[in-house]
Amino acid sequence: QSALTQPASVSGSPGQSITISCTGTSSDVGSYNLVSWYQQHPGKAPKLMIYEVSKRPSGVSNRFSGSKSGNTASLTISGLQAEDEADYYCCSYAGSSWVFGGGTKLTVL
Amino acid sequence: QVQLQESGPGLVKPSQTLSLTCTVSGGSISSGGYYWSWIRQHPGKGLEWIGYIYYSGSTYYNPSLKSRVTISVDTSKNQFSLKLSSVTAADTAVYYCARCSARYEHFDYWGQGTLVTVSS
Repeated sequence: QSALTQPASVSGSPGQSITISCTGTSSDVGSYNLVSWYQQHPGKAPKLMIYEVSKRPSGVSNRFSGSKSGNTASLTISGLQAEDEADYYCCSYAGSSWVFGGGTKLTVL
Repeated sequence: QVQLQESGPGLVKPSQTLSLTCTVSGGSISSGGYYWSWIRQHPGKGLEWIGYIYYSGSTYYNPSLKSRVTISVDTSKNQFSLKLSSVTAADTAVYYCARCSARYEHFDYWGQGTLVTVSS
């Protein structure tokens, strides 16, 4: 059960869009449409942003969207805002277990 | 609004057993439909799923930790607990308890996390 692969960092200017990739295997991301994304600000608990690949919980901005193709899932944030600067983690169900990505640090320039 | 709160010692000696409890409020563990999970985060690192328990008592653990992990539930207190045996410095981490939807397989509510340091 290896961690999902995410880029260590991404950056963008306010108003721009960024995409964070999350690559797994045919045993996790590729097998289930059960990828979720979490936002974590320093010293805080992770917050659910996307579930079931592309669904947003109530209260999460529609600037956040998710998608999946094969073994790779993606999180897109449009109209970047300063408050979006945080760490982002993907997570996939893997059959009675879950595997997380290593995390991506988003910097808003 | 569901809330989860971790509690337990912040310092554990090497080779001893780490014990944490998660108290759930705003919802009942016994209502079913959710896996009650433990997740940890090593300092400056990513998240690692440790395991879960269902209200019935059924459990599933991360294979990499399975030999050292026990998760139990006390529905009368609306709490679930984690025990991790034979700890080393590598078990130093922030430990989170979280609720996972059994249908949609995502973690929708998290505790604030508690730092456990393994040191003599």
